[in-house]
Amino acid sequence: KAGVTQTPRYLIKTRGQQVTLSCSPISGHRSVSWYQQTPGQGLQFLFEYFSETQRNKGNFPGRFSGRQFSNSRSEMNVSTLELGDSALYLCASSLGTGVNTQYFGPGTRLTVL
Amino acid sequence: QQQVKQSPQSLIVQKGGIPIINCAYENTAFDYFPWYQQFPGKGPALLIAIRPDVSEKKEGRFTISFNKSAKQFSLHIMDSQPGDSATYFCAASIGTSGSARQLTFGSGTQLTVLP
Repeated sequence: KAGVTQTPRYLIKTRGQQVTLSCSPISGHRSVSWYQQTPGQGLQFLFEYFSETQRNKGNFPGRFSGRQFSNSRSEMNVSTLELGDSALYLCASSLGTGVNTQYFGPGTRLTVL
Repeated sequence: QQQVKQSPQSLIVQKGGIPIINCAYENTAFDYFPWYQQFPGKGPALLIAIRPDVSEKKEGRFTISFNKSAKQFSLHIMDSQPGDSATYFCAASIGTSGSARQLTFGSGTQLTVLP
């Protein structure tokens, strides 16, 4: 089975712009979670989607949003980018309800200038 | 805020040594404790996980020890190899009906195994 894929792998944006990141989960997986990884804050949960519905959300401002499509692919959007949004954004997929194992993609490295 | 505290921040061992990474948690509602390994340029990969009703779990060269009363758990890597050099993260989560688990991660340990 193919693993979790994330596109693009690298992005450079400037402050004030917006960005959209994409995640394709493992085939058959219906849950997609997003995490932000930075040297200062470590790995932090952003949100989780299942069957096109956001089920859980971490402590991030409303500039961070996401969605999930009927094929389980997910996108996350960050509007009005700030320098502090520079991070590795990781997507993790799992089968869904109550299943513990989450499989991470390689991440998208976002740099905000 | 739910927290998982991980130590040490970095660790250097000789090949064949047994590095030990420790984590402590506060929220007694946590009921699933995975360890992830991350190589540069890659996403975290699940190594091994444990539930609080078990005191020890082994998978290959990796062992988790769990002390529920102390709210601590640790990862031991037996016969460590240079290929084990990576960043290791402990995590904890709470089972929520109808949702995949939200992982709360430790701050990570950079392990270097010298040849």
